[in-house]
Amino acid sequence: DIVMTQSPDSLAVSLGERATINCKSSQSVLSSSNNKNYLAWFQQKPGQPPKLLLFWASTRESGVPDRFSGSGSGTDFTLTISSLQAEDVAVYYCQQYYTTPRAFGQGTKVEIK
Amino acid sequence: QVQLVESGGGLVKPGGSLRLSCAASGFTFSDHYMSWIRQAPGKGLEWVSYISTSGSTIYYADSVKGRFTISRDNAKNSLYLQMNSLRAEDTAVYYCARRTQPPDCWGQGTLVTVSS
Repeated sequence: DIVMTQSPDSLAVSLGERATINCKSSQSVLSSSNNKNYLAWFQQKPGQPPKLLLFWASTRESGVPDRFSGSGSGTDFTLTISSLQAEDVAVYYCQQYYTTPRAFGQGTKVEIK
Repeated sequence: QVQLVESGGGLVKPGGSLRLSCAASGFTFSDHYMSWIRQAPGKGLEWVSYISTSGSTIYYADSVKGRFTISRDNAKNSLYLQMNSLRAEDTAVYYCARRTQPPDCWGQGTLVTVSS
């Protein structure tokens, strides 16, 4: 099974500053057949279900602000919030959908400093 | 708009059973794989199961294999999760989600509490 590990577990960032979350998979999630990384990022605000932010590691879901970006390939990925807004306070999860079980990272809590 | 509404959660004793339902609307249900994903109180997300469009392909997490059964009724636009032999560690909010690669729309969830 693929294990997803996020770092850090939590971080506090000032409004308008950059927030960076890392996600590492125990095996590559890059498909050689289509050269796509089967990696998604979700945002979960308190009391709400998760919301899909990015898929294929770097493609933004419709309606997601462009301050959210994803990068990386193979086993190492990054979610960047370029200028943190108050509404971005949430827990962020990465998930691989390359194989079953579709493992999630443990989550990273983002707060305002 | 896409809507997923879960129901059927509640309090059940260890060893008991519960059947969750998910009513889908706003999209062609029969065109999409569907997933169940759960979240224990204060914890992270755990993928539970998914089912293909026709129901011919099904996968389960090892933690629920042999105890949970996923099914769907495309005529009723509904997804189900039959949960048997429930354990305290199954206590969680259970989310229904559209698709598996990745799940792109989620319901609000239904809380299952397993306790004596």
